Amino acid sequence: DVKVTQSSRYLVKRTGEKVFLECVQDMDHENMFWYRQDPGLGLRLIYFSYDVKMKEKGDIPEGYSVSREKKERFSLILESASTNQTSMYLCASRTYVDTEAFFGQGTRLTVV
Amino acid sequence: RKEVEQDPGPFNVPEGATVAFNCTYSNSASQSFFWYRQDCRKEPKLLMSVYSSGNEDGRFTAQLNRASQYISLLIRDSKLSDSATYLCVVNTRYNNNDMRFGAGTRLTVKP
Repeated sequence: DVKVTQSSRYLVKRTGEKVFLECVQDMDHENMFWYRQDPGLGLRLIYFSYDVKMKEKGDIPEGYSVSREKKERFSLILESASTNQTSMYLCASRTYVDTEAFFGQGTRLTVV
Repeated sequence: RKEVEQDPGPFNVPEGATVAFNCTYSNSASQSFFWYRQDCRKEPKLLMSVYSSGNEDGRFTAQLNRASQYISLLIRDSKLSDSATYLCVVNTRYNNNDMRFGAGTRLTVKP
């Protein structure tokens, strides 16, 4: 079974902290994605990566950065957490554009 | 304009009903299309791909209309277990293979 694992299910951080969300997949997938999901807004693409060290901005990259140093790991970084970044964060991976994407279980981040 | 737009819902239907969802996309270069299902407090999972000729999987039928840039999902004989949020997904290759979701349509099937 494909497995996409996110480092935490629940996280509480303070405003201004630097926050790292980690995502690891075990299927040698090329593409990896970070989304945030908010009620009424659905999944919004933050960043995606199509190869090691390659990244592209999604629709809402402001306040976030990413890192992909190894193929299996894609990290989302909140440089200085703010309360409007309180959300559910979902990581996904897939092989190529026409294939099924697999999601991690999500990280519920609360910034206080 | 959003790249992918869906019926806002929610849809509340009785068991046995037929229900249809639509999803429109703005980028004519979009290449592949999917429907995902998301249960409450769970991650999205693939329901079915959407092929140009249309495709069926049991009670579920997916259609693609490239000229009008929309996809649809039809659920026949609704079951209580079909209650979930249905997300349409549009992939494009022009931007190194990004993947964009609609906001989702919530379906509740009632006894």
